[in-house]
Amino acid sequence: AQKITQTQPGMFVQEKEAVTLDCTYDTSDQSYGLFWYKQPSSGEMIFLIYQGSYDEQNATEGRYSLNFQKARKSANLVISASQLGDSAMYFCAMRDLITDSWGKLQFGAGTQVVVTP
Amino acid sequence: DVKVTQSSRYLVKRTGEKVFLECVQDMDHENMFWYRQDPGLGLRLIYFSYDVKMKEKGDIPEGYSVSREKKERFSLILESASTNQTSMYLCASSLLGADLNLAKNIQYFGAGTRLSVL
Repeated sequence: AQKITQTQPGMFVQEKEAVTLDCTYDTSDQSYGLFWYKQPSSGEMIFLIYQGSYDEQNATEGRYSLNFQKARKSANLVISASQLGDSAMYFCAMRDLITDSWGKLQFGAGTQVVVTP
Repeated sequence: DVKVTQSSRYLVKRTGEKVFLECVQDMDHENMFWYRQDPGLGLRLIYFSYDVKMKEKGDIPEGYSVSREKKERFSLILESASTNQTSMYLCASSLLGADLNLAKNIQYFGAGTRLSVL
């Protein structure tokens, strides 16, 4: 069963604007972690940010922040002040901390972001 | 910095060939993973390993096998390549899997191997 849903297959954003990438998830675990990765056209997956379901505050890493709404089961990535180098595919992933003993991640289908000048 | 190296960026093979994809990590990570990536499907886990000589099936293991003889190296094997195995293959490693500290679960990826089976 699909556990991670990214409903936006692609989006355009203007340079210097903020963009929000949607991610909803489905789990019965009470404890879990959410991760975001970036994949430029070169192919390498780059880790951006993570958040635990038990974290009180939303995670931030530089221009990246995670808008975590537990009741809605959403973990949206916000990129502030977009740059041309942000053009890439973005993946949301989740790890169930109770039912998974191995640290496996479930990935969504991804959202393609194109930043325009 | 963690470095995960995949031996080839591009491979072209013929149907029926035995194919080896190699992955090496240099950070003494316990866990290693093989994924395939297809458009619209995201990343799907093929196999993973949590220790030397230990392996577990992922979501789509059919047609694949793996080998982990040394901690730093994890190989994906296509015993008899078929055209439906044409895909992007990504290797990843993480420090620990059986740990509730999410920072230790972060997976670090190689650059990927684009495999075409003709």
